[in-house]
Amino acid sequence: QVTLKESGPVLVKPTETLTLTCTVSGFSLSNARMGVSWIRQPPGKALEWLAHIFSNDEKSYSTSLKSRLTISKDTSKSQVVLTMTNMDPVDTATYYCARIDWYHYYYGMDVWGQGTTVTVSS
Amino acid sequence: SYELTQPPSVSVSPGQTARITCSGDALPKQYAYWYQQKPGQAPVLVIYKDSERPSGIPERFSGSSSGTTVTLTISGVQAEDEADYYCQSADSSGAVMVFGTGTKVTVL
Repeated sequence: QVTLKESGPVLVKPTETLTLTCTVSGFSLSNARMGVSWIRQPPGKALEWLAHIFSNDEKSYSTSLKSRLTISKDTSKSQVVLTMTNMDPVDTATYYCARIDWYHYYYGMDVWGQGTTVTVSS
Repeated sequence: SYELTQPPSVSVSPGQTARITCSGDALPKQYAYWYQQKPGQAPVLVIYKDSERPSGIPERFSGSSSGTTVTLTISGVQAEDEADYYCQSADSSGAVMVFGTGTKVTVL
């Protein structure tokens, strides 16, 4: 069974750096053309794609947030980490990670984590 | 930055057909994906590569593409289909993903 689980702080202060971890099971981050995306959703608003990383370490970032984001992976720990610098209250959202199985679904995200809610407030 | 535009809402009676459009300049060259999201839940992939359906997704969900617009069609809508729907695609580079603005489907 494929699962993804997000973890990280519930509350961060403005200007701080957010670090989120996605721990995966049921597949390996070293499998060819497997990847993980990060997506967020502010309360009552639309989904926003943030970044993805593939098994070959290929990475891509949201155009509008690129300067603030870093994505990395630790294959041995089955984890993908997203850092976002200079947090602001507008970054308050539920943050999801999701699997990309490129061979089957190309860039479609077929399995999602439950999401983790992050509030930015002083 | 690149944008995908969807209608904010679509209303449909049970048993009828709902069509949700998604417009973007790069859609003629990039695949589209569709997700269903119910309140308090994570999104679920219902269509990939414009018109393919993952296993377990009912046949009443279908996708199509024409020029700069892709369409998700739900035939014979059921009450359980009431949800928010999002399209996803890539910009012209093919590497940067974008979600659409989202459409709330209401079953009357």
